[in-house]
Amino acid sequence: DIQMTQSPSFLSASVGDRVTLSCKASQNINKYLAWYQQKLGEAPKLLIYNANSLQTGIPSRFSGSGSGTDFTLTISSLQPEDVATYFCLQHNSWPGTFGGGTKLELK
Amino acid sequence: EVQLVESGGGLVQPGRSLKLSCLASGFTFSNYGMNWIRQAPGKGLEWVASISSSSSYIYYADTVKGRFTISRDNAKNTLYLQMTSLRSEDTALYYCVRSVDYWGQGVMVTVSS
Repeated sequence: DIQMTQSPSFLSASVGDRVTLSCKASQNINKYLAWYQQKLGEAPKLLIYNANSLQTGIPSRFSGSGSGTDFTLTISSLQPEDVATYFCLQHNSWPGTFGGGTKLELK
Repeated sequence: EVQLVESGGGLVQPGRSLKLSCLASGFTFSNYGMNWIRQAPGKGLEWVASISSSSSYIYYADTVKGRFTISRDNAKNTLYLQMTSLRSEDTALYYCVRSVDYWGQGVMVTVSS
């Protein structure tokens, strides 16, 4: 199975900060990478698909980049409602595998 | 609005069976591959099983192969997961997921004596 490594595991940032999260695949996954936001007690919400495509209804402060093995999720200006856990998913090959997640908190 | 509503979870003894259902609405169910993904308490996410739109292709994680069966009824807009020979390590919140985009709220399965 493809291993997905997310970093950092925890991140504390201030409102208005630019935040960058990383996800690395153990082998080439082309652009089949999705980013999700999960708030406590809620189902995961898709933010970015195909590495850099913004899901409908998601604020434009979220963006994704990368291809191959290295991917990044960027929040251009952190808002209080962005406090959540973020995780990546590769679906280039079966089984899809998830990163361990980054827990984002407000400083 | 896409909605996925899981049901059928609960407390079950090791070795017993349970069948989960996921009722879909707000989209053409028969056009999409569907998945079951689970999250054990305090653990990461695990892709459990997948089924293509016409049930032609089915995949299982090694951890459930031979014990779980994924199926769908496109006439009823419903996805199923039949779970047999349940183990304590199957305890998790089970999510019904459309392709990779929409997730249900999840249904809890607890395997314990």
